[in-house]
Amino acid sequence: DGGITQSPKYLFRKEGQNVTLSCEQNLNHDAMYWYRQDPGQGLRLIYYSQIVNDFQKGDIAEGYSVSREKKESFPLTVTSAQKNPTAFYLCASTVSGVENTIYFGEGSWLTVV
Amino acid sequence: SQQGEEDPQALSIQEGENATMNCSYKTSINNLQWYRQNSGRGLVHLILIRSNEREKHSGRLRVTLDTSKKSSSLLITASRAADTASYFCATDAWGAQKLVFGQGTRLTINP
Repeated sequence: DGGITQSPKYLFRKEGQNVTLSCEQNLNHDAMYWYRQDPGQGLRLIYYSQIVNDFQKGDIAEGYSVSREKKESFPLTVTSAQKNPTAFYLCASTVSGVENTIYFGEGSWLTVV
Repeated sequence: SQQGEEDPQALSIQEGENATMNCSYKTSINNLQWYRQNSGRGLVHLILIRSNEREKHSGRLRVTLDTSKKSSSLLITASRAADTASYFCATDAWGAQKLVFGQGTRLTINP
């Protein structure tokens, strides 16, 4: 089945560690996105990528890094510089075009312990 | 930066009643979309309305768009317990190449 796969679903991070969240899509979509969602809140854009080997910062990029070496993959690294990383992380993708209907993965919960 | 703001933040109604949620935004848009999120899950696209459209229907959903007031509403008719979820509006501003989401309305349908 076509879709977006995020892993792991649950992840625990110790203080000072970097962790990487995986996002893979087999929809042949050009653009991919990472959003952060805090409990009871909306989505905030971390990074997005319109094409391979290119990405742009969103509204809250500090403390995060991404890469886009392959069209189907857009991993997000939460670095130790992100002081409050506990949140729900959502990966999404879309066909670049006039009407950006976005398809989402099921999300990853990150908790700092 | 949050483009859309939903109102109310939370809504609780009885099964069978209609639910109305509103969204306001700040800048000119190409289109406005509504998404649904069940607790702890990803978002699912519901409906898209273009800036030159005023009303759109999809099953029990009715969306209106008033670009002069920079606002949109989502009406769910004959609500069901399974409609319990959070609903988000998202705006696609001209040239932005990204969607900006509001804070969401948390809808609870009581059986």
